[in-house]
Amino acid sequence: AQSVSQHNHHVILSEAASLELGCNYSYGGTVNLFWYVQYPGQHLQLLLKYFSGDPLVKGIKGFEAEFIKSKFSFNLRKPSVQWSDTAEYFCAVPSNDYKLSFGAGTTVTVRA
Amino acid sequence: SQTIHQWPATLVQPVGSPLSLECTVEGTSNPNLYWYRQAAGRGLQLLFYSVGIGQISSEVPQNLSASRPQDRQFILSSKKLLLSDSGFYLCAWSVQVDYGYTFGSGTRLTVV
Repeated sequence: AQSVSQHNHHVILSEAASLELGCNYSYGGTVNLFWYVQYPGQHLQLLLKYFSGDPLVKGIKGFEAEFIKSKFSFNLRKPSVQWSDTAEYFCAVPSNDYKLSFGAGTTVTVRA
Repeated sequence: SQTIHQWPATLVQPVGSPLSLECTVEGTSNPNLYWYRQAAGRGLQLLFYSVGIGQISSEVPQNLSASRPQDRQFILSSKKLLLSDSGFYLCAWSVQVDYGYTFGSGTRLTVV
């Protein structure tokens, strides 16, 4: 079954800095990929998703992610973060017909 | 449009007391339903999922149980809560896992 790994456990950066969070999935073939965001005290919300087509996917709030098939990666990026981007970010992939496999999550702290 | 309702939002229960958390989905039929738990620093843990009425798959052995008495209703229960049951419980639904999940707003359970 597919699984994902997220490289960074906790990232701390200043406002206006660029952000990149790593996500790798376990093996090739057709794959759908997701990034979810969880703001403090809230539930998970879909940030963006990749199904097929253009490997550069744009999501909400200025986030984007690039699917690189040769690297089994789906890294999340934002050119200039804001304090309101402080949150936990989860990468996910379908692990079988019914379930998503989530990464361990990356906590992002943006300092004003 | 589809919506997911989860209640209560917060709950403080004594050790040994019973638990019942409810989740309902509107605007869709035969959804896949999921219960997740987030404990502090432990990421997302899939507890149960259901692909139809009366069909429950358990992912982690514990003192929790789940039931799906109606197509769009998913209930998480316990007969006797433990301190270790504290956490943030999230319900989610999907029509097809390839399209990802939509999460409910979550229930923060504190067992005292």
